[in-house]
Amino acid sequence: GIQVEQSPPDLILQEGANSTLRCNFSDSVNNLQWFHQNPWGQLINLFYIPSGTKQNGRLSATTVATERYSLLYISSSQTTDSGVYFCAAGGQAGTALIFGKGTTLSVSS
Amino acid sequence: DSGVTQTPKHLITATGQRVTLRCSPRSGDLSVYWYQQSLDQGLQFLIQYYNGEERAKGNILERFSAQQFPDLHSELNLSSLELGDSALYFCASSEYGGGGNTIYFGEGSWLTVV
Repeated sequence: GIQVEQSPPDLILQEGANSTLRCNFSDSVNNLQWFHQNPWGQLINLFYIPSGTKQNGRLSATTVATERYSLLYISSSQTTDSGVYFCAAGGQAGTALIFGKGTTLSVSS
Repeated sequence: DSGVTQTPKHLITATGQRVTLRCSPRSGDLSVYWYQQSLDQGLQFLIQYYNGEERAKGNILERFSAQQFPDLHSELNLSSLELGDSALYFCASSEYGGGGNTIYFGEGSWLTVV
């Protein structure tokens, strides 16, 4: 099955800094999603992005399907951005999302 | 709010017991997924149902079982519980059973086995 690797595993930022999180996947995908897990455990959908680029406020994501990677950009980070960011990929039709191990982001004021 | 509802939110039970976790998918979604999140294993896919039928199976133990009912809600049954089953259990749903559509997660059910 698909393997999903995320880097870096941990990231510490000062408020206002920018960051880039990377997700590599081992096979072609028809689903690629980014999630933010907040300190209360909730998994929040950020992007559905099997290919291309999307932006939502200070967050944007790019997936280059042919090279099997996706990037999540966080600009002007805020303390509320802290938490774990997961990338999850799904392959052929009928398969569920496989999650990476996540990037733990800590933003301090 | 994702629209996926899970109950109970928290559950504490003893080893050897059996529990049932319930999930109501988003309105109109036909597919339900169950995931387990533990500290040492991360987020693991357990099982998927689509319109009442099992669609895909992941790392689900034989002590665990699930079903999706005609009204599309789903239940995950965990039996002969062990300390290692303590985890956050997520239900998720999507409109279709195949790939290519967004999957939405509920808030999870925290299970503690003592």
